[in-house]
Amino acid sequence: AQSVSQHNHHVILSEAASLELGCNYSYGGTVNLFWYVQYPGQHLQLLLKYFSGDPLVKGIKGFEAEFIKSKFSFNLRKPSVQWSDTAEYFCAVLLYNQGGKLIFGQGTELSVKP
Amino acid sequence: EAQVTQNPRYLITVTGKKLTVTCSQNMNHEYMSWYRQDPGLGLRQIYYSMNVEVTDKGDVPEGYKVSRKEKRNFPLILESPSPNQTSLYFCASSLAGTSGGPGETQYFGPGTRLLVL
Repeated sequence: AQSVSQHNHHVILSEAASLELGCNYSYGGTVNLFWYVQYPGQHLQLLLKYFSGDPLVKGIKGFEAEFIKSKFSFNLRKPSVQWSDTAEYFCAVLLYNQGGKLIFGQGTELSVKP
Repeated sequence: EAQVTQNPRYLITVTGKKLTVTCSQNMNHEYMSWYRQDPGLGLRQIYYSMNVEVTDKGDVPEGYKVSRKEKRNFPLILESPSPNQTSLYFCASSLAGTSGGPGETQYFGPGTRLLVL
């Protein structure tokens, strides 16, 4: 069965540290990829998405992600985190040509210490 | 203002008492979807709809029903709720993408927190 794995359940960083959150999926076909963020008490917001083209995509708030097809990965990165980045981050995969089924990872909780 | 609204925001009910959670969007989006969020499990898709009268099962459809009679509304129905359906529910909508699923940004509603006793 198709699945999405986020390896880190909880990440704790100090401000200005670099961030990389892992996301791997299991599906051999074409995919569309998303990263969403959920700030405490709020609903999900789109950080960035990959549909096609340049595998390095830039999103809001200084986040970027790189799609590596050979590794079935779509890792999220930010060079220098801020306290306001404290949130839960979700990777999601849309299986192309399989209708609208969207599979989310389990989420990674990021805590940034001031 | 473009938005997805859900009602109610909070609901406490008892096992077996039918309930409906409404979802409405004002952006003329084709694609709508329901998710439940549980600690450690992330979001799991319950049902989705790619247009009026077109719905399909997501990963965890058991115990839920949906309907899409109008483009703007996508209610979630629990015919006989059980305690394992206690969760945080999100509705979302977007324009349809070329793959038929969510295209551009998927807009999420504020969530409905459901407790089934």
